[in-house]
This record gives sequence, C-alpha cells and structure tokens, in this order.
Amino acid sequence: DAGVIQSPRHEVTEMGQEVTLRCKPISGHDYLFWYRQTMMRGLELLIYFNNNVPIDDSGMPEDRFSAKMPNASFSTLKIQPSEPRDSAVYFCASRTGTANSPLHFGNGTRLTVT
Amino acid sequence: DAKTTQPPSMDCAEGRAANLPCNHSTISGNEYVYWYRQIHSQGPQYIIHGLKNNETNEMASLIITEDRKSSTLILPHATLRDTAVYYCIVRVGGNTDKLIFGTGTRLQVFP
Repeated sequence: DAGVIQSPRHEVTEMGQEVTLRCKPISGHDYLFWYRQTMMRGLELLIYFNNNVPIDDSGMPEDRFSAKMPNASFSTLKIQPSEPRDSAVYFCASRTGTANSPLHFGNGTRLTVT
Repeated sequence: DAKTTQPPSMDCAEGRAANLPCNHSTISGNEYVYWYRQIHSQGPQYIIHGLKNNETNEMASLIITEDRKSSTLILPHATLRDTAVYYCIVRVGGNTDKLIFGTGTRLQVFP
C-alpha cells in the first residue's frame, strides 16, 4: 500500500500563474478530500468527493479554486490565477466507504506564491 | 458538530505516559471522538476513535468519561517520535465527512 500520493511536493510560482496540484488516493477508497493548512487558519477542508462526484465544496475559498476527479485514482486542485495568500500546504486524504473508517492523508504539497 | 477544547501544549518525558485531555461538553449522543496527530511536515495520521467505551489499539488508549463530556488520549510509553500536534475531533458517526480540525495540543517529548 503506497498510501495517498501527492505531487509535486513543493511548488513555487509567481502571482497570476496557474497552479495544479495532483493526488492519487489509495486504491479502493471511495472518498477523497482536499485540505489546506496555514499557520493562521490551521487545517481547513476545501472540498470532498464521493465516488468521483463532488459532494461539498463549501470550503473552496473563491472561484479561483477548482477541483476535479476524473476517475477513481486521480484528482486535481487548480488555482487560477494564484495569489500570494494562497501560499499554504495542501493535503489530499482518502478513506473507504465503511462507517467510521479513518482518513489517510498524503504528505502534502507546499505551495509558495511570490 | 460539538466543539472541543484542548490545551495548546504539553511536555512529557520519554518513556513516561502522555495523557492528553480533551473537553467536549456539548457532545451529542451519536457523536464519536476521534484523535489524529500531525508530525512536523507530514499529513495528519489517524490514531483512534470511540463512542462511549474505552478503546485501545497498538498506538494508544482512549478513555471517555461516563458523561462523555471529556476524554483522554494516553500514549503509554512516549518516545521522541511521538512529538507532534494531537487533534481531538468529535463527529457524528457513520461517515467521517467534513472532519473539522481545531488547533490541537502540541506534545513535546523530551529525553
């Protein structure tokens, strides 16, 4: 079991550029979550999917953020255009559909927007 | 979901038991208590969860008071690798959708 895999591990970009973060969930997991972590706001849930369908995107900060899950083994979080305040660590997590199953997190993508 | 209150930081000597408290005085009857931890630069890691009975696994024990208004996570023999931020979360059982993380307790294990 390779765990949840995120790429890239680090991303540095200039303000106004498009940024795409990628996530491969654990095989067989039905749920996928995107979180963002900053010193000021802690861990925030942005959006989650069930069986590739977005269920709740109320945490997405604004229209510049979008997330997709084209299939069960891949998801992307895109920021266009990026801004310095988007600088954070972005985590992807997945879990099975079994009640009370734990979340498994990836090691995150550290995004720096200059 | 019920809110939780945790001390911002704690220290523990290596080899001793670390007891991390959590208050959740507004917890409802169908809400579970979950514990996760986050070691520096890594994603959060699941530790344990429970409803009203005490629980134990290979990582830790969870003690929930009879009135369910508070709980304690116990690491029986803390090691330096247990230094992390520990999050206590309450959530309705079944689906753990929208787990909301608070600020947690920063546990420092010292030699």
